[in-house]
Amino acid sequence: KAGVTQTPRYLIKTRGQQVTLSCSPISGHRSVSWYQQTPGQGLQFLFEYFSETQRNKGNFPGRFSGRQFSNSRSEMNVSTLELGDSALYLCASSTGRYTDTQYFGPGTRLTVL
Amino acid sequence: GDSVTQMEGPVTLSEEAFLTINCTYTATGYPSLFWYVQYPGEGLQLLLKATKADDKGSNKGFEATYRKETTSFHLEKGSVQVSDSAVYFCALSDQTGANSKLTFGKGITLSVRP
Repeated sequence: KAGVTQTPRYLIKTRGQQVTLSCSPISGHRSVSWYQQTPGQGLQFLFEYFSETQRNKGNFPGRFSGRQFSNSRSEMNVSTLELGDSALYLCASSTGRYTDTQYFGPGTRLTVL
Repeated sequence: GDSVTQMEGPVTLSEEAFLTINCTYTATGYPSLFWYVQYPGEGLQLLLKATKADDKGSNKGFEATYRKETTSFHLEKGSVQVSDSAVYFCALSDQTGANSKLTFGKGITLSVRP
């Protein structure tokens, strides 16, 4: 079974630009969650989508948004990029139950200059 | 809110040494507990998990027991190898609300020298 894939793997943007990251979950998984990883803040939950609906949201500004398509693929968008948005963005997929394992992709490394 | 506290790192051990990484949690509900490992340049991989009190998760020689009375989920391995060098994260998923959000500890870097 193919794992979680994320594209692109690396991105360099400048302040004020916007960016879209993509995540393809494991086949059959309906839940996709996004996390931001930085050296200072560690791993922080951004949001979760389940069957095309946002089911949970972390404490991030409205510049961070996402969506999920009918095939469970998800995209995350960050508008008006700031230097502090530089991070590794990780996507995880699961069946959606809290006891189930979340499987992570390799991440997208975003650098904002 | 939910939180996970891991011991401060980094940790450096010699090969074949015993490993303990402490993890305690605070949760409003009855969480599931996880240990994830991250190798350089990669995403997170599940190492083990436990979903109810007194459950023991185990994998690749690593073990952790869900202790509800002490709200802990300490990771142990009897004999570490150089290949175990990585960052280890303790995490919980709370049952309150129908979601699968993970709350992570800050992670600890383990270095194993030959």
